Amino acid sequence: SQKIEQNSEALNIQEGKTATLTCNYTNYSPAYLQWYRQDPGRGPVFLLLIRENEKEKRKERLKVTFDTTLKQSLFHITASQPADSATYLCALDGPGNTGKLIFGQGTTLQVKP
Amino acid sequence: DAGVTQSPTHLIKTRGQQVTLRCSPKSGHDTVSWYQQALGQGPQFIFQYYEEEERQRGNFPDRFSGHQFPNYSSELNVNALLLGDSALYLCASSGGQDLNEKLFFGSGTQLSVL
Repeated sequence: SQKIEQNSEALNIQEGKTATLTCNYTNYSPAYLQWYRQDPGRGPVFLLLIRENEKEKRKERLKVTFDTTLKQSLFHITASQPADSATYLCALDGPGNTGKLIFGQGTTLQVKP
Repeated sequence: DAGVTQSPTHLIKTRGQQVTLRCSPKSGHDTVSWYQQALGQGPQFIFQYYEEEERQRGNFPDRFSGHQFPNYSSELNVNALLLGDSALYLCASSGGQDLNEKLFFGSGTQLSVL
């Protein structure tokens, strides 16, 4: 079955720097990969979706890359702000592209002023 | 335009009891999925409903059951509660004018089983 690995350790960075989060998967290549943001006590919020035929996607200060050879996605937040502090979840579609999402355990980002 | 709403927000039950959680999808969405999120973990897929039928199911026992109503709202039922069922239960909706793959989550129901 598909396994997703995200850095379990929290990532601490200084305001203004670029945060880079990693998502690795082990099995089949998904049709797409998504990134969500989750704040304590709240549900995840969709950020970006990247499809298997796309190398890179951008939205404002966010950038996602998808390397199907390495089975890896990188999620970047440029010019980070304390308000970016949250847990970031990587999610892949289940086999057969049926809309079932498989989530990683998330990486907590702390941006210090 | 209301997003996904879930009720109740918090619930405390004892082992062996039964619980029903409720979800109203975002306006225009017709598909509802339920996820269980243990502390420090990512959400785990329970099942998905579309057109009042269970379309997909994750690796959860039959104690977990659901329902979707004609207005697309949904319920998650858990019977014979175990301590290990303590978690945040998330409802997500999709469909309509939004990307089918993009999920909109509610804030969840925090279930504690004592």
